[in-house]
Amino acid sequence: GQNIDQPTEMTATEGAIVQINCTYQTSGFNGLFWYQQHAGEAPTFLSYNVLDGLEEKGRFSSFLSRSKGYSYLLLKELQMKDSASYLCAVSRISSGSARQLTFGSGTQLTVLP
Amino acid sequence: IAGITQAPTSQILAAGRRMTLRCTQDMRHNAMYWYRQDLGLGLRLIHYSNTAGTTGKGEVPDGYSVSRANTDDFPLTLASAVPSQTSVYFCASSDLAGEGGNEQFFGPGTRLTVL
Repeated sequence: GQNIDQPTEMTATEGAIVQINCTYQTSGFNGLFWYQQHAGEAPTFLSYNVLDGLEEKGRFSSFLSRSKGYSYLLLKELQMKDSASYLCAVSRISSGSARQLTFGSGTQLTVLP
Repeated sequence: IAGITQAPTSQILAAGRRMTLRCTQDMRHNAMYWYRQDLGLGLRLIHYSNTAGTTGKGEVPDGYSVSRANTDDFPLTLASAVPSQTSVYFCASSDLAGEGGNEQFFGPGTRLTVL
């Protein structure tokens, strides 16, 4: 089975840096995704890690340690529009090569002025 | 059409009724997925399809069926709706042939209420 844990809520100030952690236990690991979801909207892709290390993409970075079953999403220079739910999702290859994602419950980030 | 569309946007349904949620994508992605999203539980996979003509069960398939007659369409059917199926339903697709993570692209969702 799979188990994914991330904090339910976080609060940070505009301009600051925030780190959202995700721990997982899974079999057949094939990568870890981070998605952003604004209230009432669909999730949108932020990042993908399959190898250990840091992936940087503008203000957002994502880190993965496969041996520790741990990832984090780092958001720099926070803006009000970054207030959203951030979903950690673990990928595994199912039969026929479709990559099944198992999602954590999401971390609701509130950015304060 | 650009990306993934879902219909209807929202629906209120009496328990016991049959309902089909529609999903269409124009990206020629071979894989498609249906999720439900409930407060505190995150997104859970209902059914998926690797390619036209094949389907598979996800984490919570009971009470739902799917079909994949062609690449673009992946309808989800509730044969006899129950109140516990009240949820927001998201359809997604991904390109398995591409390199990298094959991220999933999500439709706008259907908000379903079963009374």
